[in-house]
Amino acid sequence: GAGVSQSPSNKVTEKGKDVELRCDPISGHTALYWYRQSLGQGLEFLIYFQGNSAPDKSGLPSDRFSAERTGGSVSTLTIQRTQQEDSAVYLCASSFTNSNQPQHFGDGTRLSIL
Amino acid sequence: AQSVSQHNHHVILSEAASLELGCNYSYGGTVNLFWYVQYPGQHLQLLLKYFSGDPLVKGIKGFEAEFIKSKFSFNLRKPSVQWSDTAEYFCAVAAMDSNYQLIWGAGTKLIIKP
Repeated sequence: GAGVSQSPSNKVTEKGKDVELRCDPISGHTALYWYRQSLGQGLEFLIYFQGNSAPDKSGLPSDRFSAERTGGSVSTLTIQRTQQEDSAVYLCASSFTNSNQPQHFGDGTRLSIL
Repeated sequence: AQSVSQHNHHVILSEAASLELGCNYSYGGTVNLFWYVQYPGQHLQLLLKYFSGDPLVKGIKGFEAEFIKSKFSFNLRKPSVQWSDTAEYFCAVAAMDSNYQLIWGAGTKLIIKP
């Protein structure tokens, strides 16, 4: 079956613009995660969804970041008024039930803020 | 705060050399342990995992890792590396008390010289 799909694969935008990143998890995976990977850094946890609810938003770096998930499937990560430090690869992963299960990753969205 | 430490950010080896990548974590409770690999141009994928039982776990492509609870370590090993093992390797730990949220190491870039 299909893996985790993310779009767009690359996004270049000007500072101050809003961006929306999309993640289609593997069908049947109830848990969905967003991570950020900056150059030379490990993965930074952003937010975790179980179904449509987000029990853990602790990783969102500022109130410019928000995420939602609808229908227990597709999730969007929105960054408002982008800043240059937002430039990174944004990765989405999904798994069965909770985070005790191995996560399956998408290819990521490479976001560049000019 | 919980953390995962990977000792080497870059490792360069010749083909047929033996490999050991270090991973230590700072959590004393029940944990699940993972190694993920990211080959050039590909998404993150699971290499191996430890949940319970035999502390020596075997993964894909001849990799293995040993969980040593007393040392809070989960080092990755391979007796004889190949050029195709060139990739970035990430250690991740999921702690029961944190609802199994994954904490990631910063990654180790492995380059195998042909």
